[in-house]
Amino acid sequence: DTGVSQDPRHKITKRGQNVTFRCDPISEHNRLYWYRQTLGQGPEFLTYFQNEAQLEKSRLLSDRFSAERPKGSFSTLEIQRTEQGDSAMYLCASRTTSGSRSGELFFGEGSRLTVL
Amino acid sequence: GDSVTQMEGPVTLSEEAFLTINCTYTATGYPSLFWYVQYPGEGLQLLLKATKADDKGSNKGFEATYRKETTSFHLEKGSVQVSDSAVYFCALFYSSASKIIFGSGTRLSIRP
Repeated sequence: DTGVSQDPRHKITKRGQNVTFRCDPISEHNRLYWYRQTLGQGPEFLTYFQNEAQLEKSRLLSDRFSAERPKGSFSTLEIQRTEQGDSAMYLCASRTTSGSRSGELFFGEGSRLTVL
Repeated sequence: GDSVTQMEGPVTLSEEAFLTINCTYTATGYPSLFWYVQYPGEGLQLLLKATKADDKGSNKGFEATYRKETTSFHLEKGSVQVSDSAVYFCALFYSSASKIIFGSGTRLSIRP
């Protein structure tokens, strides 16, 4: 169990640029989640995958956001034409759907986005 | 819709003090309840959980009891340490919905 890893840890970009974040989940976990967290708030659900299938997207996820998990392993979250309001911590988490720990999300350390 | 409400922080206590962080929830069904903790510079990690009414979750000296009648899941610790300084998140989870809903978090600072 090497944990959930995210890259990059911090991204500073100018408004209008595109950014992409990568998440590598725990290898045996079939579900992968993206959350967004702003200062003083709890994580807000964005989307999740069951293997390579994207099963749910939040209304928070505008058309500028797209997420993929092409082979059911790592995932990417791309934000196009970034806006200052996109500045936040983007969290990835994964979990298994079987066993006693099936409800437990394991989080990465997050990717902090700053849009200037 | 389903939601979680936590007491606002920051909460500042002296070492060895008794801690309570209140959490109440609104749910249409019977969710599992969690407390997650986020230490400075680290990702969220599960602190404890309870899957049904009257269950008590416990870990690292922290406890919380799933109270269906009051829709609460308050976090308690009898004697806090400086190392407990962190942000604590209450959350609910439905396996059928498959996502976790978080409260806004409570920042805890412990003075030596």
